[in-house]
Amino acid sequence: NAGVTQTPKFRILKIGQSMTLQCTQDMNHNYMYWYRQDPGMGLKLIYYSVGAGITDKGEVPNGYNVSRSTTEDFPLRLELAAPSQTSVYFCASSRSESSYNEQFFGPGTRLTVL
Amino acid sequence: LAKTTQPISMDSYEGQEVNITCSHNNIATNDYITWYQQFPSQGPRFIIQGYKTKVTNEVASLFIPADRKSSTLSLPRVSLSDTAVYYCLVRSGYSTLTFGKGTMLLVSP
Repeated sequence: NAGVTQTPKFRILKIGQSMTLQCTQDMNHNYMYWYRQDPGMGLKLIYYSVGAGITDKGEVPNGYNVSRSTTEDFPLRLELAAPSQTSVYFCASSRSESSYNEQFFGPGTRLTVL
Repeated sequence: LAKTTQPISMDSYEGQEVNITCSHNNIATNDYITWYQQFPSQGPRFIIQGYKTKVTNEVASLFIPADRKSSTLSLPRVSLSDTAVYYCLVRSGYSTLTFGKGTMLLVSP
């Protein structure tokens, strides 16, 4: 299994541009998550999904959108990039909503908005 | 959500045992305690989880006293490759995790 894969690894955007961060998992996990991590800080949850067709906001959803059309894929969309969105973005997945807290993380996408 | 408090940083030497303590005074009955490890430029990695007493796996041990208001992650005989940020999280059976700033462990030769 490849686990959780993310593309691209790096990206530079200009203010106002749009892009989609891709995330795919091959573990047949129902739950998927998007986090952002600013330098020296912990991770903050942007959006999460409990299954195909179901998404919900996390702690910092403004400026982002998500969709979940399949179990495997959970893309994150930035519509109008702003410098405040410069961060490292991590996608993660987990098996279920039970108390088993093991999330599997992807390698991250480093995004810079200039 | 139970808030956690852990040291910002710790230093150790190769071969020593490292204990990182996390405080979670308002932990709820259904909350589990989970620890993650994060290396630079990588996503966090699950280390261990527990509810009470002691849990041990091939990587670490987790000690939880009876009142569950704190927990201690124990890393036996650390090596340079254990240099990382360690996060303590408390969560009930919901989907979301809340990561604080974690503890930066620096292992020196």
